[in-house]
Amino acid sequence: QKEVEQNSGPLSVPEGAIASLNCTYSDRGSQSFFWYRQYSGKSPELIMFIYSNGDKEDGRFTAQLNKASQYVSLLIRDSQPSDSATYLCALLRGYQKVTFGTGTKLQVIP
Amino acid sequence: DAGITQSPRHKVTETGTPVTLRCHQTENHRYMYWYRQDPGHGLRLIHYSYGVKDTDKGEVSDGYSVSRSKTEDFLLTLESATSSQTSVYFCAIGGEGNQPQHFGDGTRLSIL
Repeated sequence: QKEVEQNSGPLSVPEGAIASLNCTYSDRGSQSFFWYRQYSGKSPELIMFIYSNGDKEDGRFTAQLNKASQYVSLLIRDSQPSDSATYLCALLRGYQKVTFGTGTKLQVIP
Repeated sequence: DAGITQSPRHKVTETGTPVTLRCHQTENHRYMYWYRQDPGHGLRLIHYSYGVKDTDKGEVSDGYSVSRSKTEDFLLTLESATSSQTSVYFCAIGGEGNQPQHFGDGTRLSIL
């Protein structure tokens, strides 16, 4: 089992819809969870991070963490074409060791 | 991006030549990292540094060395480049106390 698993996509949603991106992980000792957005040819950009079970909201973005089920998700409300990118899930597994998923490509259709 | 500069941004070189990539930060972060990103593999840690002259290996460190003589600069060296090291290389800073890392703009390296 991969340490961090994401569906590669592409996930296509119409403009204005909610995009739901999911990530599962294998190490129950994982402490912190991050979502990065990466446009084609660009560097990863931090969107959100979450440490505790439950939801964390920031504008149109909501991160959800369920440690018992070992998954973390990112919801994007009112999706815009500018949200089209690859979204990377990452987690902190130990001392300074962050593991990244391979990313989910999101396409928002106008 | 978060006070991180990578140089060069693009480089093409030949197999067997030495290559050095530079990461410069203005944020005074203790931790700095080098990753490579390849299709199907995502971001993989090569080496990281937790202070001047303090470095440690990541999951794909073979064929790479690093040095950090100043807080601001973290160098990644490919002693004898191979075609398998063709990749996009990202430097990152931060990560202290469970905080997220922030990335530089990347270096696209092609080894022919």
